[in-house]
Amino acid sequence: EVQLVESGGGLVQSGRSLRLSCAASGFTFDDYAMYWVRQAPGKGLEWVSGISWNSDSIGYADSVKGRFTISRDNAKNSLYLQMNSLRPEDTAFYYCAKDPRYRAMIMGWFDPWGQGTLVTVSS
Amino acid sequence: QSVLTQPPSVSGAPGQRVTISCTGSFSNIGAGYDVHWYQQLPGTAPKLLIYGYSNRPSGVPDRFSGSKSGTSASLAISGLQAEDEADYYCQSYDSRSYVFGTGTKVTVL
Repeated sequence: EVQLVESGGGLVQSGRSLRLSCAASGFTFDDYAMYWVRQAPGKGLEWVSGISWNSDSIGYADSVKGRFTISRDNAKNSLYLQMNSLRPEDTAFYYCAKDPRYRAMIMGWFDPWGQGTLVTVSS
Repeated sequence: QSVLTQPPSVSGAPGQRVTISCTGSFSNIGAGYDVHWYQQLPGTAPKLLIYGYSNRPSGVPDRFSGSKSGTSASLAISGLQAEDEADYYCQSYDSRSYVFGTGTKVTVL
């Protein structure tokens, strides 16, 4: 069974940094693109970033470009999101998600999703 | 700001059929990019419901179906059940970015 477990969320002051992790199991991690998607409390979904299976292709939403960095360690079956210069509007549940297609990334979809980790940025 | 527009809410009695629209433009759905649908039950993570407009992952009941027309897509739920009460989101691709719909809350009366 595919499992994605996020960690690293918490309360942080505006302008500070936080690093999220996503531990993957139940599949060959280094064959699949991975993503981060966030959801502000009571709001809709927003794609944050994505990384290809071999880290050759990386993309970011305009709202986080230049502040967030996605990375992966295939040896540790882990996905990361380094978040710098955090703002109150970054407050959200952050979900990691897997692209279900073998070694593909562009124009994908998200399946499955982790349970999410909450990031709260205070002003 | 979402580029895919959905109605904020739809409702129906048990057993009825409801549809949720997802209206895009020529830079996303109209450009031929696929549309996918997710169901988010209260307090849980989203779950894939439909991919590639009309394909159901294993385990998703055939009461759920998807379609496309021009720059829009639709999700239909037939034989509405109490456990279908949830938020539903469409998702596509636009300008090198993944985009979601505004979300629709389905209420079972």
